[in-house]
Amino acid sequence: QEQLVQSGAEVKQPGASVKVSCKASGYTFTTYDINWVRQATGQGLEWLGWMSPNSANTGYVQKFQDRVTITRDTSMSTAFLELSSLRSEDTAVYYCAREYCVTGSCFLDLWGQGTLVTVSP
Amino acid sequence: DIQVTQSPASLSAFVGDRVTITCRASQSISTSLNWYQQKPGKAPKLLIYAASSLQSGVPSRFSGGGSATDFTLTIRSLQPEDFATYYCQQSFSTPFTFGPGTKVDFK
Repeated sequence: QEQLVQSGAEVKQPGASVKVSCKASGYTFTTYDINWVRQATGQGLEWLGWMSPNSANTGYVQKFQDRVTITRDTSMSTAFLELSSLRSEDTAVYYCAREYCVTGSCFLDLWGQGTLVTVSP
Repeated sequence: DIQVTQSPASLSAFVGDRVTITCRASQSISTSLNWYQQKPGKAPKLLIYAASSLQSGVPSRFSGGGSATDFTLTIRSLQPEDFATYYCQQSFSTPFTFGPGTKVDFK
C-alpha cells in the first residue's frame, strides 16, 4: 500500500544539523510533490517547504530559507529534510507528506509517521 | 503570506452533538482550503479538500463549506472517535499555512 516511512528520532546539540529521510512506497515517487511540516510539543502545525521529486525544484518558508534544504534521491524514492544551525526552538516532530493535486486543488493526503528531533545541549 | 485563523480554539461537546468549526483566510483563496484531523501522537489525517470534497474513506458526517475567505467544518453527529484537534490549511499559495487548530473534547 502507499506509505511514507520516516527515519528515527534524533538528538542534536545546538548549532548542529539534522537530516531526516522520508521513503515513499506503493506509488511513483516522482509523480507528486513532497511537503514538510513540523509540530512542536503541544503546538500547531507549521508548514516548512516543498519539493518536486521530478524536477528537484523547491520552495521554503522565508523564516527558514537560510537553514532548511529539501533534497531527494529518486533511485531510493526518498526525500530528505536538512535543518542546520539547530536551536532549542527547533525541537519538534517533523512530518513529510505527499501533495496530491486534482483539478487545481492541492492537499496533503499521505503522511509519514513523524520524526522527533530534540535539540539539547 | 496568507494568514489563517480558526474559531473556536477549543470546544466541549457531547456524543451526538452537531459541531461547527470556522476558518478564515486573510485574503480570498477561492476554495483552496483543506481540513485535517489529528489525534495525540499521530500524524494528521485529511478529511476535506477543496473546501467541500470528502476524502475517500472519511465518514459522511463530516462536511465542509465556504469559499473566498470564510469556511466551515461541520460534524453532523459527534462520535467518540471524533474527539481530536482539527486544523484547516490554505493551499492557494505557498507557504501553505495552517490554522492554529481547534481541540474538540468531551463535555
